[in-house]
Amino acid sequence: GAGVSQTPSNKVTEKGKYVELRCDPISGHTALYWYRQSLGQGPEFLIYFQGTGAADDSGLPNDRFFAVRPEGSVSTLKIQRTERGDSAVYLCASSASNTGELFFGEGSRLTVL
Amino acid sequence: AQRVTQPEKLLSVFKGAPVELKCNYSYSGSPELFWYVQYSRQRLQLLLRHISRESIKGFTADLNKGETSFHLKKPFAQEEDSAMYYCALKSGNTPLVFGKGTRLSVIA
Repeated sequence: GAGVSQTPSNKVTEKGKYVELRCDPISGHTALYWYRQSLGQGPEFLIYFQGTGAADDSGLPNDRFFAVRPEGSVSTLKIQRTERGDSAVYLCASSASNTGELFFGEGSRLTVL
Repeated sequence: AQRVTQPEKLLSVFKGAPVELKCNYSYSGSPELFWYVQYSRQRLQLLLRHISRESIKGFTADLNKGETSFHLKKPFAQEEDSAMYYCALKSGNTPLVFGKGTRLSVIA
């Protein structure tokens, strides 16, 4: 595909449930980022991968959040025991290297009821 | 800690009027500064970066280290400039830090 692809585009779940959000980056991009955007806020950094490893996970809010990128391409953000405060748009971005020029997906809107 | 401040949540201007979207940052080293834009129903995308020192869609931004600012300017606003604009900072290997954004509304 031409750009970063994220699925699902919308996810509604109940408090306490487990959620997985998927990101398929631009082919060849080694760096992959997850950001979270709440209403009226800018994107907030969660985690950054360089290849298969998490180079920086300092933005993950707590141990309910986890992300993987096992083959250095597709990444999955996993949220356990969801809470209403987790409701947000989760953005994925990729770049050829860690330069600051990020290519964003359209986001996955998560609503926790 | 790195911080990006965009003091205006909403900026409304008339078509043809000059535009200035403010961005201030706090960082003691030498940062890289960026402006990202999100048009209605489109994904967030890079508009310009201070290193390239270029004009994109008529927009320019100059890094002022003395005032720790990176304001985005355009001499004559167009209706198609209406969008959300985010200022962002990068230092070393750390990921981008974004401001809260300013919604620009250009009125015909």
